[in-house]
Amino acid sequence: DAKTTQPPSMDCAEGRAANLPCNHSTISGNEYVYWYRQIHSQGPQYIIHGLKNNETNEMASLIITEDRKSSTLILPHATLRDTAVYYCIVRLSSSNTGKLIFGQGTTLQVKP
Amino acid sequence: GAGVSQTPSNKVTEKGKYVELRCDPISGHTALYWYRQSLGQGPEFLIYFQGTGAADDSGLPNDRFFAVRPEGSVSTLKIQRTERGDSAVYLCASSPTRMTLSGANVLTFGAGSRLTVL
Repeated sequence: DAKTTQPPSMDCAEGRAANLPCNHSTISGNEYVYWYRQIHSQGPQYIIHGLKNNETNEMASLIITEDRKSSTLILPHATLRDTAVYYCIVRLSSSNTGKLIFGQGTTLQVKP
Repeated sequence: GAGVSQTPSNKVTEKGKYVELRCDPISGHTALYWYRQSLGQGPEFLIYFQGTGAADDSGLPNDRFFAVRPEGSVSTLKIQRTERGDSAVYLCASSPTRMTLSGANVLTFGAGSRLTVL
């Protein structure tokens, strides 16, 4: 599975959009981009995933560049409860195991 | 159950002791995963079960670590001769299947078992 690079930390003002970048320049054509987040003292929580098209759900939007070498997770109106570590993971859809490999992630601090 | 349940939530033991950590996955989920998370680090993969069998145990650090899932549901992670370096949060996750055509591999995690080895 391809490696991802994320900034270690970011701040965001409450109510504003949080844009979390992820670089995955070695991604291959059949690898998906997943985002999970981990709130303090909890297990990681799935947010969203995509292959090449932009995706949106009730939690967030995922914007993937045309060359697929980077993506951005957007939380449109960040709240204090969105303070967490956000993990960007690239995974081969046809992998014979389901494991996800987590990196260090981005610690997002939402400030009042 | 409604979510992934892990017991105990906290375990304090002494160096050299044997420890068992239990995971109850979501009912019907065939895939089960164990991860370990040290302070300030992302979760580190340990082992993955598909049904009763360990499909990938490449993350187990050494032979003191062992996991079982005898009936394809509940899993137990066993650690022998614990060392201080084993102190971490042990996370369990489950998913409905190992992969889908949409590429979705949504793992649902439990809250973890915090192990402290004194």
